[in-house]
Amino acid sequence: AQKVTQAQTEISVVEKEDVTLDCVYETRDTTYYLFWYKQPPSGELVFLIRRNSFDEQNEISGRYSWNFQKSTSSFNFTITASQVVDSAVYFCALSEARGNFNKFYFGSGTKLNVKP
Amino acid sequence: EPEVTQTPSHQVTQMGQEVILRCVPISNHLYFYWYRQILGQKVEFLVSFYNNEISEKSEIFDDQFSVERPDGSNFTLKIRSTKLEDSAMYFCASTWDRVSPLHFGNGTRLTVT
Repeated sequence: AQKVTQAQTEISVVEKEDVTLDCVYETRDTTYYLFWYKQPPSGELVFLIRRNSFDEQNEISGRYSWNFQKSTSSFNFTITASQVVDSAVYFCALSEARGNFNKFYFGSGTKLNVKP
Repeated sequence: EPEVTQTPSHQVTQMGQEVILRCVPISNHLYFYWYRQILGQKVEFLVSFYNNEISEKSEIFDDQFSVERPDGSNFTLKIRSTKLEDSAMYFCASTWDRVSPLHFGNGTRLTVT
C-alpha cells in the first residue's frame, strides 16, 4: 500500500485561479511529519513546509496555504491566485521514525500547469 | 544559506562502467540520504547514512551500489557496473536531525548508454 497518495497526476489551471493539490497519507505512528516539496522544470527539489502530527493548525504563507486534517489523513496544499511561476511538480512526503533515523516516503507528485 | 552541493550535474557513462556521484552535504548535518528519480516519475529512496554507517537501504540499493563518507565532508554514491535502467536523476540530501526537512542538492543526471 502507498504511504503517500497524490491522486491528481496533473492539473491545469489558468493564471489567477485557485488550485488545491491533494495528499493522503497512511501511518500507524502517533508522531510523524508531513512535507511539501516543489520541483520546478529546472529539476531541483525545494522544501516548502513541514508539519508535525501534533500540530493541526492550518498554515498560510503568502499565496500558499496548507490544510492538515488527521481525521481524514490528509495534508492538502492550496495555491491562491496561481501564477505561471507556480508551474512545477509538487510532492507530498511523510516522515516516520525508524531506529536512529527518519524515513521519508514521497508521493508520486502532482504536475501543476499554470497557463497565462 | 548553506546548501547541499552535487557534482557532476550530468554524467554520461557506458553500460558496465563504474560511476561515482559526489555530494557535499551541509556542514553541520548528521543524516545523509540518496534518492533517485527516473524521468517523470516519483522520488525513490535508495539509502540513508548516519554515524558512518548505512541506516537503511531500499531494494533498489543492491550489491552494485555503495556509499561512503571518506573525509567528513563528502558523501559519495558508487555504482559499480552501471545498467541502462540506472539512468535517472540522483539526489543527495542531508538533515541536521531526524525530524528536520531533507535539504536536497540539485541532483546529478546519470545517463547510461
